[in-house]
Amino acid sequence: KNQVEQSPQSLIILEGKNCTLQCNYTVSPFSNLRWYKQDTGRGPVSLTIMTFSENTKSNGRYTATLDADTKQSSLHITASQLSDSASYICVVSFAGGTSYGKLTFGQGTILTVHP
Amino acid sequence: KAGVTQTPRYLIKTRGQQVTLSCSPISGHRSVSWYQQTPGQGLQFLFEYFSETQRNKGNFPGRFSGRQFSNSRSEMNVSTLELGDSALYLCASSLDLLGNTEAFFGQGTRLTVV
Repeated sequence: KNQVEQSPQSLIILEGKNCTLQCNYTVSPFSNLRWYKQDTGRGPVSLTIMTFSENTKSNGRYTATLDADTKQSSLHITASQLSDSASYICVVSFAGGTSYGKLTFGQGTILTVHP
Repeated sequence: KAGVTQTPRYLIKTRGQQVTLSCSPISGHRSVSWYQQTPGQGLQFLFEYFSETQRNKGNFPGRFSGRQFSNSRSEMNVSTLELGDSALYLCASSLDLLGNTEAFFGQGTRLTVV
């Protein structure tokens, strides 16, 4: 069964600190892996999208890494800000047959940044 | 450039009724996909429409259906509503097929079934 598992479920850090969120997946074959940020009551916003051949991609203070061999990805947030408090969701796009493009979502990591 | 617009934002329906949700994609985008988000199950893929054709479908019962019009606007219909259908329903639009390109999400429709 194609699955996406994220850890930790929740995380509390102090403003200015760095943190790393993890994503393990079993979706195979996959075409790309995405990280989204979702603020409470709003739709998700794309942070990064990486194909299977990419190892790292940055978007400002957000850096995502991908190891397609071990089926692991991480999202590193540098110098956290209060506005980073949100749910971070890992999403994998299936690349097989007639279900090409079907997205599988992780449960998300809820990040809280305290002043 | 206007973003993805979903209407209505909030909806309360009674068990057994049916409901139609609307999604207007970003101008020029040809793919519209729909998702259900609940606290217990998280985000789940419902289906994707591209050029008025359903391209992909998630693991939801036949009570969930959708369609896409020639202007790429999409509607999702849920018939015979159940209490468990209470959720945030999100749609996203993509320039090309969902699997190939970035998805831009709307604010969602909060459906409450009583």
